[in-house]
Amino acid sequence: GESVGLHLPTLSVQEGDNSIINCAYSNSASDYFIWYKQESGKGPQFIIDIRSNMDKRQGQRVTVLLNKTVKHLSLQIAATQPGDSAVYFCAEGQAGTALIFGKGTTLSVSS
Amino acid sequence: EAGVAQSPRYKIIEKRQSVAFWCNPISGHATLYWYQQILGQGPKLLIQFQNNGVVDDSQLPKDRFSAERLKGVDSTLKIQPAKLEDSAVYLCASSPPPTDTQYFGPGTRLTVL
Repeated sequence: GESVGLHLPTLSVQEGDNSIINCAYSNSASDYFIWYKQESGKGPQFIIDIRSNMDKRQGQRVTVLLNKTVKHLSLQIAATQPGDSAVYFCAEGQAGTALIFGKGTTLSVSS
Repeated sequence: EAGVAQSPRYKIIEKRQSVAFWCNPISGHATLYWYQQILGQGPKLLIQFQNNGVVDDSQLPKDRFSAERLKGVDSTLKIQPAKLEDSAVYLCASSPPPTDTQYFGPGTRLTVL
């Protein structure tokens, strides 16, 4: 089946910088997109989601942007902190169905 | 609010042995999912339940994997017999109606020797 992919497997930033993690998806029928953060030894933790009728959604220090024209999703983290270091997954889905995950981007934040 | 609970957290078995994992979803969450996460990859769906009925088990290797959610709450996932390639983290997730947001448990890390 179709799956979600990520542009970069790793991203290294300095504390206080803004981070941008990108994701490309392939299923035009997907109408729900979500970002998860996964720390070592833990399950994925919900960060933020967005539906296909929106282009942008903001949370606390995080923003998700959706470009349906080019099937692109991004997660922006403002003022990145060492505690943000983790693997970030984007996932796509449709109402009531399971999510399809990409391979993840490892974010490393140095102080 | 308590999160998704899973047990055991770790399990080591030899190939051809059987193993079972348990999941207790967040109270009130009708939908329950089991995912398999191989090291370095994103989670992949094994099976989805809505209450005690199966919604999607198309990716479940049914010759060796089975899952049930008899009373529409807790769920068990079983592997019999296990193969080396089953080594992975098995994640349980649940979501409340009518949202699609899935909340994950800590997972069970299975090592098959």
